[in-house]
Amino acid sequence: NAGVTQTPKFQVLKTGQSMTLQCAQDMNHNSMYWYRQDPGMGLRLIYYSASEGTTDKGEVPNGYNVSRLNKREFSLRLESAAPSQTSVYFCASSSTGSYGYTFGSGTRLTVV
Amino acid sequence: AQSVTQLGSHVSVSEGALVLLRCNYSSSVPPYLFWYVQYPNQGLQLLLKYTSAATLVKGINGFEAEFKKSETSFHLTKPSAHMSDAAEYFCAVSIPQGAQKLVFGQGTRLTINP
Repeated sequence: NAGVTQTPKFQVLKTGQSMTLQCAQDMNHNSMYWYRQDPGMGLRLIYYSASEGTTDKGEVPNGYNVSRLNKREFSLRLESAAPSQTSVYFCASSSTGSYGYTFGSGTRLTVV
Repeated sequence: AQSVTQLGSHVSVSEGALVLLRCNYSSSVPPYLFWYVQYPNQGLQLLLKYTSAATLVKGINGFEAEFKKSETSFHLTKPSAHMSDAAEYFCAVSIPQGAQKLVFGQGTRLTINP
């Protein structure tokens, strides 16, 4: 099925470990986004990529890095995980002018 | 900068009753507005969007929302609640230029009582 695919779905990390969250879309969308969802805070933008080859910081970028590998793929890396990064992470994509995102099903990350 | 405030983190209604979820926004330019729904352990699904056409917007599953510029509001309504409407609902704002970044409200959890 067409859409946004995130891997893994669940992950437990120890403090200080690193990991990369993967995201791929097959809808030929130009823009891709990473959000984190925390209870009572809605979704907050971590990083986004308006087009292939560009990335920009969102509201809460500290502790994260991203790579727009190609038009389809946009990865999020935690270099040294902290308990404050325990969250549900969503990747989304959109096409120019559509103003509506397609979301992945999320990655539930726990840092202990 | 844009922001969204959703009034009420939890709303509970009886099956068959009116659903009203409140959203107020702040934006320095005319905004685009959205409502998303999230069912447990799933991603977000677009319910409806306002992009400067008709101020009354109809979405999926019988939901609709009205853009009121004078009140800076975009409340979500459904005339008759169904058990399957139980979910979390997010209002979001964007501006019609640039990278289409969405700014989300904190969410409202809707519970339907039998």
